[in-house]
Amino acid sequence: SQQGEEDPQALSIQEGENATMNCSYKTSINNLQWYRQNSGRGLVHLILIRSNEREKHSGRLRVTLDTSKKSSSLLITASRAADTASYFCAFFSGGYNKLIFGAGTRLAVHP
Amino acid sequence: GAGVSQSPSNKVTEKGKDVELRCDPISGHTALYWYRQSLGQGLEFLIYFQGNSAPDKSGLPSDRFSAERTGGSVSTLTIQRTQQEDSAVYLCASSSPGLGYHEQYFGPGTRLTVT
Repeated sequence: SQQGEEDPQALSIQEGENATMNCSYKTSINNLQWYRQNSGRGLVHLILIRSNEREKHSGRLRVTLDTSKKSSSLLITASRAADTASYFCAFFSGGYNKLIFGAGTRLAVHP
Repeated sequence: GAGVSQSPSNKVTEKGKDVELRCDPISGHTALYWYRQSLGQGLEFLIYFQGNSAPDKSGLPSDRFSAERTGGSVSTLTIQRTQQEDSAVYLCASSSPGLGYHEQYFGPGTRLTVT
């Protein structure tokens, strides 16, 4: 299967703690993206990391990519209750026709 | 500007009926995508449009599913003779050449329930 795999499936933390989510994939990729989905809302693009990049930052988000291990991680620092959502990694493979999504990590941040 | 919009937001239909789901992409976005998300799952690609043509229909699960796009804008996903396993959230996304097609903007989805 081309689908990405994410772990953990669910993560529960307290406000202020860091949250780390991991994504693994099996094919060659051009870039890898992370999306957030709040309950009852559509997906929002968070960050894109290209295959020739190893780390990227955006605000409280840090993404790493290890193409040799075919894995990526998303770190959210100093988490807030508003970060509660499902987080998905997604990637193109062999063109830009479709995004292939992982099953997602459900993050719950408790006040 | 306005984001991607979808209608209806919710649709309950009886098994065997046909349904039409609509997507209005962001103005100027030439690429349009349909995905399906079953409960608690990731997104499953259905079909991709570039302009009015669909070079990739590989994700459509059966011949009961079809989609069209007119005027390089609005798209309609049609499911004929709906089955209970068609129940899911159907998400539409669009993207712009200026973004290199890399970032997709998603609509809020249509939640389809087949009873």
